[in-house]
Amino acid sequence: QQQVKQSPQSLIVQKGGISIINCAYENTAFDYFPWYQQFPGKGPALLIAIRPDVSEKKEGRFTISFNKSAKQFSLHIMDSQPGDSATYFCAARGLYNNNDMRFGAGTRLTVKP
Amino acid sequence: EAGVAQSPRYKIIEKRQSVAFWCNPISGHATLYWYQQILGQGPKLLIQFQNNGVVDDSQLPKDRFSAERLKGVDSTLKIQPAKLEDSAVYLCASSPGDGNSPLHFGNGTRLTVT
Repeated sequence: QQQVKQSPQSLIVQKGGISIINCAYENTAFDYFPWYQQFPGKGPALLIAIRPDVSEKKEGRFTISFNKSAKQFSLHIMDSQPGDSATYFCAARGLYNNNDMRFGAGTRLTVKP
Repeated sequence: EAGVAQSPRYKIIEKRQSVAFWCNPISGHATLYWYQQILGQGPKLLIQFQNNGVVDDSQLPKDRFSAERLKGVDSTLKIQPAKLEDSAVYLCASSPGDGNSPLHFGNGTRLTVT
């Protein structure tokens, strides 16, 4: 049933480095691609999202790159900080179908000081 | 704005017992979702309500899981009888209901079935 594949499973980055998490999707009907951040003991929280009419979206240190032809998108965290240590989930759904949201398996990011 | 409230935070039961989880969504949010998050996996939708009606319960194991949202506000998810493989975090989420708004998640209930 998995329709969104996420890699890597875990990632260790030094403070100040760039964290890159990749996702690939199968369903061409997907047209909304959010990233969620989850801290231990907390629910996921929306971090940033993109629609396929643009190839990149940047919010502060967080950037989504989107490749529609390859059906891939990625999250880049610039100048990674220890406070960014969390699990990150990519997701995909149809534009107006929250009930069709498919999540990736998650990436556990550790940023070392 | 108060967030999505869930209780209890933790629950440990033996297999074949029953358990219930409660969720109070953000005020005014018409849509409520229950997700199951197994350790090491992303959340998986169990059921979606629009006000007090079910929109999608296609992935809900209906032989043992049930959910209700009688007054269109808070919701209860029940498992009866529980199996070992039900051990997971159960997340409740809500959204205003226009289908395009982001999901707001609660902190979840961690269920351990022994």
